[in-house]
Order: sequence, then C-alpha cells, then structure tokens
Amino acid sequence: GAVVSQHPSRVICKSGTSVKIECRSLDFQATTMFWYRQFPKKSLMLMATSNEGSKATYEQGVEKDKFLINHASLTLSTLTVTSAHPEDSSFYICSARNLIRSNGYEQYFGPGTRLTVT
Amino acid sequence: SQQGEEDPQALSIQEGENATMNCSYKTSINNLQWYRQNSGRGLVHLILIRSNEREKHSGRLRVTLDTSKKSSSLLITASRAADTASYFCATSGNQFYFGTGTSLTVIP
Repeated sequence: GAVVSQHPSRVICKSGTSVKIECRSLDFQATTMFWYRQFPKKSLMLMATSNEGSKATYEQGVEKDKFLINHASLTLSTLTVTSAHPEDSSFYICSARNLIRSNGYEQYFGPGTRLTVT
Repeated sequence: SQQGEEDPQALSIQEGENATMNCSYKTSINNLQWYRQNSGRGLVHLILIRSNEREKHSGRLRVTLDTSKKSSSLLITASRAADTASYFCATSGNQFYFGTGTSLTVIP
C-alpha cells in the first residue's frame, strides 16, 4: 500500500501558540486529503476535506479559523492549530486519497500526530 | 463518512492463542486495510487486501475478504503480549469507512 507520513509525530506547545502539522503522500499524488481528530477510545472524527489548490471544506462544528488547512501541492497538506488551548490536545490523523481511473479511490492513513497543549 | 464496524469491540486471550477480529462495511470497495494502534501511539498499517483478493498473509497475520458479505477478518496466530493494541479496518472505494476498532489484550 501507499505511504502517508506525518510530521511531527508528537508535539508539545504552550497555550496561545500555533502548531503546524504536515501530511505527505510519499509515493502517489493525493487529489484529496482529509484531517481527522481521534478522541480517547473513539474512532476518527472527520474535521475537514481539502482538495489540492482549493479551500478546505470543514465539517460542522469545526472552526475553520482555528484549524487552518492548506493543500498547496498534490503531495502535501498542512493543518495549523492556531492559538492552541489545552482542549485542543488530541491525536490528529490525516489521510490521502487518489483517484483510480474511474473506479473509485484508494485512501491511506498517516500515522498521526499527538498534540499536547500545556 | 460512515464508519465500518469491527467485532468484537474487545477481546482478551492468552498468549499463544489465535485472535480473530471481524470488520463489516457498507458499500463496494477497492481495497480494505487493517491498522494497529498501540495506546497513545500512531496508526500502523498492517496489511491491505484488494477487492479481487480473497485471502492474504503477512507473517502471523492472515486477512480474508468476502465482498459478497461485505466483511473481512483479521487473524493473528500464536499471539504475543506485544500484540496488545487496538485494531481498525478501513476501506476505500466510492466511499470510505474507518471502523471503531477492536481492543485486543493478550495476557502473558
């Protein structure tokens, strides 16, 4: 399967600062990337969908001014958590999707980034 | 997105026994992937099986796929304490699913 990487894998920041998380598709071009948040003992909650070169589509309840998403190239998307608060502490996971001809998609998940806001 | 479902939600076995986890999904797929996640750690991609495959092996892992039943199973043979983790299935196709996971505990 394809490889999706995230950087950093763990980050600790102070309240009020901003943190940028990168998601890269390493061996394919991702037309669409997704950002998720994982709460303890729960599955993934979709935060936003980003298509290369266009604005991200945010799910209901997700503040777009707080969680800035940029998908500047077909292999890189970034999530910036602005003015972080302790309640933003979570596991953030991205996934990358590419189109397989006209037969749907292949989608792969990154390993995740553990954000701790102190 | 809708979620796939794994069962059981939790499984506790003795070291050396086999562990079987199941995943069901809702629409047609291109592939199904199994991931492992240790507590507080990232997702680790274990194995991918394509829609035209019925069985795949990787070390002590065996994955089966039944597209007619829209289900897959993950078998871990000769389990070890280090296999203790949560296991998730994810599918991609016209839609994607990410399951709620099976929490596996292997007792030494």
